[in-house]
Amino acid sequence: GDSVTQMEGPVTLSEEAFLTINCTYTATGYPSLFWYVQYPGEGLQLLLKATKADDKGSNKGFEATYRKETTSFHLEKGSVQVSDSAVYFCALLYNQGGKLIFGQGTELSVKP
Amino acid sequence: DAGVTQSPTHLIKTRGQQVTLRCSPKSGHDTVSWYQQALGQEPQFIFQYYEEEERQRGNFPDRFSGHQFPNYSSELNVNALLLGDSALYLCASSFLRQGAYGYTFGSGTRLTVV
Repeated sequence: GDSVTQMEGPVTLSEEAFLTINCTYTATGYPSLFWYVQYPGEGLQLLLKATKADDKGSNKGFEATYRKETTSFHLEKGSVQVSDSAVYFCALLYNQGGKLIFGQGTELSVKP
Repeated sequence: DAGVTQSPTHLIKTRGQQVTLRCSPKSGHDTVSWYQQALGQEPQFIFQYYEEEERQRGNFPDRFSGHQFPNYSSELNVNALLLGDSALYLCASSFLRQGAYGYTFGSGTRLTVV
């Protein structure tokens, strides 16, 4: 079945460091891909999305490119801030209107 | 404009009891989906409601049931609670035609079963 695999955390970085969180997926057909962020004690917030191959999603300095050939959607940010500390989830949507399938989440901790 | 509102924010129940969680969708949204997120885990899809009917269901037992009202608000009911039902329950609303592209999540209800 469809699935999402993320790099394991926690990931600890210093402020202004470069961030990469790897995400790969297994799906039949051509899913849409998402990154969500969850701050402590809160629900999920959509960070960015891409609906077809080679699309690049971007928001708040975060970027991810939908790579069909490697079935990947890695999250990157050039310079992280302490306020970026959160759990990041990669997710796929196969059927429009259907359920999101999430990866296991990657906890990011940014130290000043 | 209020987003998705869930109530209560926290509750504690005893094993074997029944619980009802409530969700008010974002204004204008017509579809409500429910997710279960165990501590330290990813959210798992429970089911989705549209036009007061269950459209899709994840791999959850019949103890989990739901309802959607004419004003699009929704309830999640869990019967015969087990310790393993302890989790954060998230509600997400959207327009049906947007599907999960347009999800707005609530802050969740933290259920503890003792």
